[in-house]
This record gives sequence, C-alpha cells and structure tokens, in this order.
Amino acid sequence: AQTVTQSQPEMSVQEAETVTLSCTYDTSESDYYLFWYKQPPSRQMILVIRQEAYKQQNATENRFSVNFQKAAKSFSLKISDSQLGDAAMYFCVRSQGGSEKLVFGKGTKLTVNP
Amino acid sequence: EAGVAQSPRYKIIEKRQSVAFWCNPISGHATLYWYQQILGQGPKLLIQFQNNGVVDDSQLPKDRFSAERLKGVDSTLKIQPAKLEDSAVYLCASSFDRGNYGYTFGSGTRLTVV
Repeated sequence: AQTVTQSQPEMSVQEAETVTLSCTYDTSESDYYLFWYKQPPSRQMILVIRQEAYKQQNATENRFSVNFQKAAKSFSLKISDSQLGDAAMYFCVRSQGGSEKLVFGKGTKLTVNP
Repeated sequence: EAGVAQSPRYKIIEKRQSVAFWCNPISGHATLYWYQQILGQGPKLLIQFQNNGVVDDSQLPKDRFSAERLKGVDSTLKIQPAKLEDSAVYLCASSFDRGNYGYTFGSGTRLTVV
C-alpha cells in the first residue's frame, strides 16, 4: 500500500520559536501533489500549504514553509514564529492516482506553549 | 464563498439503527469526497464522486454504507445498520479540478454508535 508516514505523534514548541514536522511518503507516481492540513478541535480541516511534485522550489506561505526532497520522498513542514493559534493536529497528505484521492498520514499533534 | 456545509454536527445512535449525513459542496465544485476519520487516525476515503458519477468507492463497506449525489450537487451518506466500529467523524470535501486547486473540507459529523 502506498502510505504517508508521520513519525512524530506529538510535538511541542514555545511561542515565537520554530518547529519542524516530519513526513515521508511512498509513491510510484512521478506527478502528484503534497499538502499539509491543519485540524483544530473544531474538526475543520484547513489547508496550510501545497506543493506540486514537479516543482523543485519549496512552497512558502507566510510563516509556513516546506522542505520537499523528491528523491528521498520527504516533505517536512516548518512553522516559524509559532503562535498559540497554530496548536492543532497536522496531517501530511498526498494525492494519489488519476482520481486525485487523498492519502493521509496519522497526524502530528502540535502544542504551542506560552 | 460559502464553505462546504455538513449536517448534522453530532449524532448518537444505537447499534443496528440507521443514520444519514448530508453534505453541500462549494458551488461549482464537481468533485465530492466522503472521508471517515476514526479517533486518533487520519481520514480514510470512503467514496469519491465526479459530478453525479462514482469515481472510487473501493473502501466503502457496501453491505452497510451507501451514498448518492443526485444532480451532481449535494450528497447523502447513509449507514444501515450501524455497528460500534462506525463511530467516527465523517468529513465531506469538495474540489474544483480534482485537487489541482486544493480541497475544501466541511466541519464533519461526529457519529457515536452505542
């Protein structure tokens, strides 16, 4: 089965500091999308950042950036200047196949300490 | 634009009863997904529609789960009869172009089967 692995079930960071969440994935496809989604207790799944596999340049969205290593099948998320509102469950997600269905990792629970 | 609407937000039923969930995607989004998220896990795709046709239902337990998307707009997911292991959050998502522009999720329905 083609999977997405998040090896850190929980992470914590001090407010204003930087934290990196890890993700590796398995795929036999050459073109696909990778995402990080955030899920706060409200259950709303919110898109944080998106990366197209054929683009070598790492995606950046304000305080959020990724380190995409296609050959290593690694896709980590860096959160800079962490804020209390960043506390949530973070899911690494890969699109699969021509149907573009999403395959989720098990998630990393991020706690931000004041 | 309005988000993906789901109802009800919570539902508690006894095992062997039936239940239905409703989803209204973002206007113009041709693709609609139903995901099941068991506590502590990432969401798992149950069924994917493209307009009113089924693209992928390979992980839908068809002996008890059914889904439809009449007229290619809103969708209903039904469970009959429910089992204890169906307790989960059921998330609906939609996309404009099979994920090329990202996926938008609803807030989900939390189902508890007792």
